[in-house]
Amino acid sequence: GAGVSQSPRYKVAKRGQDVALRCDPISGHVSLFWYQQALGQGPEFLTYFQNEAQLDKSGLPSDRFFAERPEGSVSTLKIQRTQQEDSAVYLCASSPGQANTGELFFGEGSRLTVL
Amino acid sequence: KQEVTQIPAALSVPEGENLVLNCSFTDSAIYNLQWFRQDPGKGLTSLLLIQSSQREQTSGRLNASLDKSSGRSTLYIAASQPGDSATYLCAAGDNDMRFGAGTRLTVKP
Repeated sequence: GAGVSQSPRYKVAKRGQDVALRCDPISGHVSLFWYQQALGQGPEFLTYFQNEAQLDKSGLPSDRFFAERPEGSVSTLKIQRTQQEDSAVYLCASSPGQANTGELFFGEGSRLTVL
Repeated sequence: KQEVTQIPAALSVPEGENLVLNCSFTDSAIYNLQWFRQDPGKGLTSLLLIQSSQREQTSGRLNASLDKSSGRSTLYIAASQPGDSATYLCAAGDNDMRFGAGTRLTVKP
């Protein structure tokens, strides 16, 4: 596609439910990133993939958060047993080369609300 | 851990003014610094990317500078317009780009 696509755009979950957020990066982009953005704050880094390899997951807040990119294209961020503090916008970005070499392109985000 | 600070947190100016947004970062060993714009409820739109070997980048009415030694970047917006109203974010780093909290800009007609 022309840009980074994320789905769903909006997700409401009851506390304790599992959720899965999908990211379709720009075709051919090597690097893929997930960020979490709380209201009124800047995005916080969660994890980074180079192709299918998850090279950095230092920002994942707990072991309830899991991300994968099995074929080096589409990525899924999964949150297990959601809690209210997980409510945020989850942003995906992709970059054409290795992480430190190029511009980041962001999707519109997935807004998660945990009740 | 890289920490990024943006000043001011909010800025309101009349249309036509030139303005400067500031970004500072604690670790000068960065590969890239990138400025973004974010409209309410939207994702981030890339404005300018400055790689570590560069000192500035320009696009239209926007000019961004980078001083790695002092850990600072500025975004200069010339002849501001109401359509420039948005939150401006800077990010600095390596594989894990770190963001500031942003400057919320309002340009009044």
